[in-house]
Amino acid sequence: AQKVTQAQTEISVVEKEDVTLDCVYETRDTTYYLFWYKQPPSGELVFLIRRNSFDEQNEISGRYSWNFQKSTSSFNFTITASQVVDSAVYFCALSGYHEAGTALIFGKGTTLSVSS
Amino acid sequence: NAGVMQNPRHLVRRRGQEARLRCSPMKGHSHVYWYRQLPEEGLKFMVYLQKENIIDESGMPKERFSAEFPKEGPSILRIQQVVRGDSAAYFCASSSSPANTGELFFGEGSRLTVL
Repeated sequence: AQKVTQAQTEISVVEKEDVTLDCVYETRDTTYYLFWYKQPPSGELVFLIRRNSFDEQNEISGRYSWNFQKSTSSFNFTITASQVVDSAVYFCALSGYHEAGTALIFGKGTTLSVSS
Repeated sequence: NAGVMQNPRHLVRRRGQEARLRCSPMKGHSHVYWYRQLPEEGLKFMVYLQKENIIDESGMPKERFSAEFPKEGPSILRIQQVVRGDSAAYFCASSSSPANTGELFFGEGSRLTVL
């Protein structure tokens, strides 16, 4: 079965601190995709990144970076020099070619609070 | 280019009434997904539809819930005889290809409150 675990329920940091959000996944598929979404207080879901299982190269986008390690089934997300606007719930998600369909499986989310 | 449009944004129903949630996917998208988010929970997959077809409804409760995506018009998630436990945010997402190969674009959600 597919599963995504975000062990950190809530994280609180002060502005300018770096913060890493953990994501561990389980899948039997050899081909799969991993995603991160942001849900700010306004409630919408904002796509951040999609990675496929064949691409383990780490990615950096501005203050955001992602560390994909297949050996530990992890896809961690780091925000450098956090800002108050980063306060949101962050979801990690997994998709693969499992038998029933191709829906995304989400973790329960990590609530990040950044104070000034 | 309008994003995924969901309405109503907020819906209040009394126990036993029906709730209808609508989702208009992004232009050109034929894949629609419905997710439910309970308080303090992540998003749970409910159903995946392509035009006029239900592809995967493994996440839908067996009773009272139904979904459709007609040839013309929005996708509809229908909840009959609502109960308090149905109170949640319901998100619709669309994509131009199945979710595992393309980006899912989410709507802003419809928040159902059952009194």
